[in-house]
Amino acid sequence: GQNIDQPTEMTATEGAIVQINCTYQTSGFNGLFWYQQHAGEAPTFLSYNVLDGLEEKGRFSSFLSRSKGYSYLLLKELQMKDSASYLCAVTDSNYQLIWGAGTKLIIKP
Amino acid sequence: IAGITQAPTSQILAAGRRMTLRCTQDMRHNAMYWYRQDLGLGLRLIHYSNTAGTTGKGEVPDGYSVSRANTDDFPLTLASAVPSQTSVYFCASSDSDSTDTQYFGPGTRLTVL
Repeated sequence: GQNIDQPTEMTATEGAIVQINCTYQTSGFNGLFWYQQHAGEAPTFLSYNVLDGLEEKGRFSSFLSRSKGYSYLLLKELQMKDSASYLCAVTDSNYQLIWGAGTKLIIKP
Repeated sequence: IAGITQAPTSQILAAGRRMTLRCTQDMRHNAMYWYRQDLGLGLRLIHYSNTAGTTGKGEVPDGYSVSRANTDDFPLTLASAVPSQTSVYFCASSDSDSTDTQYFGPGTRLTVL
């Protein structure tokens, strides 16, 4: 079956760096997304990786290794507003988007 | 530009009642999606539409139906609501298919008693 694994919850300190991992087993691969979802709100797009390597966008970076079925989202200079859930999603060979359950990130002062 | 809107924001419904959740986008996106989100399970696809006039079943389609009469609207209907359909429902759209960024509506919180 198809599966995406992420840690359920992580805690980090304001100003620090945190890495959220995502491993996937899907039938084929056509891209990987990271979305941010604040409590009670809709998910919003953060990043998209289709080729191996690191994509940097301000304080956020996303890495992909297709051979390992692995991605991570790196958040630098953490701010209190970064407290949210981070969702990993993979597009499979049938162009269906498979979602992970999300990682709840708690930022402490 | 509103983006994508959903109505109602929340609803409490008696079991057995029929309910339609509305979704409208003004981005002229071809593809639209309905998800439900339950604690610990993440987003699960109910139905999708790749273009006006076509629809498809997602991971959890039972008890739900959709229609796509035009590009902008994608209503989701619960023919006879059951308590297990209590959830937060998100509508989303993307330019073409699931390799494109999906833009989400604000969600509808539905409680079936």
